[in-house]
Amino acid sequence: EPEVTQTPSHQVTQMGQEVILRCVPISNHLYFYWYRQILGQKVEFLVSFYNNEISEKSEIFDDQFSVERPDGSNFTLKIRSTKLEDSAMYFCASTDTLKPYEQYFGPGTRLTVT
Amino acid sequence: AQSVTQLDSHVSVSEGTPVLLRCNYSSSYSPSLFWYVQHPNKGLQLLLKYTSAATLVKGINGFEAEFKKSETSFHLTKPSAHMSDAAEYFCVVSGPGGYNKLIFGAGTRLAVHP
Repeated sequence: EPEVTQTPSHQVTQMGQEVILRCVPISNHLYFYWYRQILGQKVEFLVSFYNNEISEKSEIFDDQFSVERPDGSNFTLKIRSTKLEDSAMYFCASTDTLKPYEQYFGPGTRLTVT
Repeated sequence: AQSVTQLDSHVSVSEGTPVLLRCNYSSSYSPSLFWYVQHPNKGLQLLLKYTSAATLVKGINGFEAEFKKSETSFHLTKPSAHMSDAAEYFCVVSGPGGYNKLIFGAGTRLAVHP
């Protein structure tokens, strides 16, 4: 069964550094999403992306964040200057046009900012 | 605005006994409702969804949920728990029409004892 994959599984970075979290959505999916879960808190929506544009973004998704689909398979989340409070599990998800209600999630990347 | 409240942070059952995970929702329009499950070190997996069709929805692994508009509830049930059901369960709400951001509850950790 096709799966969403994410790399790396765990990323440790120093405050102020840039990180790029990578996702490979399911191959025929066209809608992409990033969510995050700070330890002990709810899963929160960050951004949705379709047709090479951001469809919707949350208040969390400020200028330090950006998303990109650099090629036909990858979907990335860049955090420009990481802060301690960016430490979280980041989940990528994708949706098929034939099943618009079903978001398929990757296993997540745990980002630790020190 | 939309939100979900999961009424129990932890539920513990014995193998073979029924499971009930409670969820109440708030939505200013017709919601789409979901239950997702997360096993350790795995991504979020869709268990079932309600999208304005039948109010009793069946999902994978014997789970089902009933949409009760009068009670604004969407409780998840299973007649007989298996050890493999031990996981974190998330009640999720979204707007109508598909492709929308998901709004997560805080999660309920289900423990299943022999």
